[in-house]
Amino acid sequence: QLQLQESGPGLLKPSETLSLTCTVSGGSIRSSSFYWGWIRQPPGKGLEWIGTINYSGGTYYSPSLKSRVTISVDTSRNQFSLKLTSVTAADTALYYCARHRDSSWDFHLWGRGTLVTVSS
Amino acid sequence: QVALTQSPSASASLGASVRLTCTLSSGHSTYAIAWHQQQPEKGPRYLMTVNNDGRHTKGDGIPDRFTGSTSGAERYLTISSLQSDDEADYYCQTWDTGIVVFGGGTKLTVL
Repeated sequence: QLQLQESGPGLLKPSETLSLTCTVSGGSIRSSSFYWGWIRQPPGKGLEWIGTINYSGGTYYSPSLKSRVTISVDTSRNQFSLKLTSVTAADTALYYCARHRDSSWDFHLWGRGTLVTVSS
Repeated sequence: QVALTQSPSASASLGASVRLTCTLSSGHSTYAIAWHQQQPEKGPRYLMTVNNDGRHTKGDGIPDRFTGSTSGAERYLTISSLQSDDEADYYCQTWDTGIVVFGGGTKLTVL
């Protein structure tokens, strides 16, 4: 059964770069049928899509975050990663990785999430 | 750009049924949407995708108590025989070319 697991530092200072990795287990990330995404949720608030990548590296980003976001894929490690530059307290959130199909962008599989706090 | 609107809260009694609504923005009434459940202190779980013709496709292991339906620009999630662990936040989600959008979520309280 395919599973997703987020990992990365849980505490950052303002202006630093957030770096998270999602490890895919129980299946291959090299499927042209699936795309891989990042979603975040500030404490007590709703879900916000950050961006999506396919196995060949094609990327799609939220317009509101596009200037600070980079998503990449490492097929040799079965992982994909998120980088968010110049973080502020507003970037404090639970960060989830998830999967959707290439033909239908409904997220049908989610990781458990990892909390990232930005504080001086 | 497509947008989704959800009521912030809903409530229903244990054992009863409740229908949650997700409304697509003007000009986007044919879009499919997905429903996700987020129980307290847990990550989201995919429930189903509801198409504009009313057909819905459920995720693995989702009970028959959860059904989806459509009317115009509205997409519904109906939960019957409410149980205590149905108390959760419910988010709808849709997509357009190269972009994903979430609704603001509905907090369901089971009385």
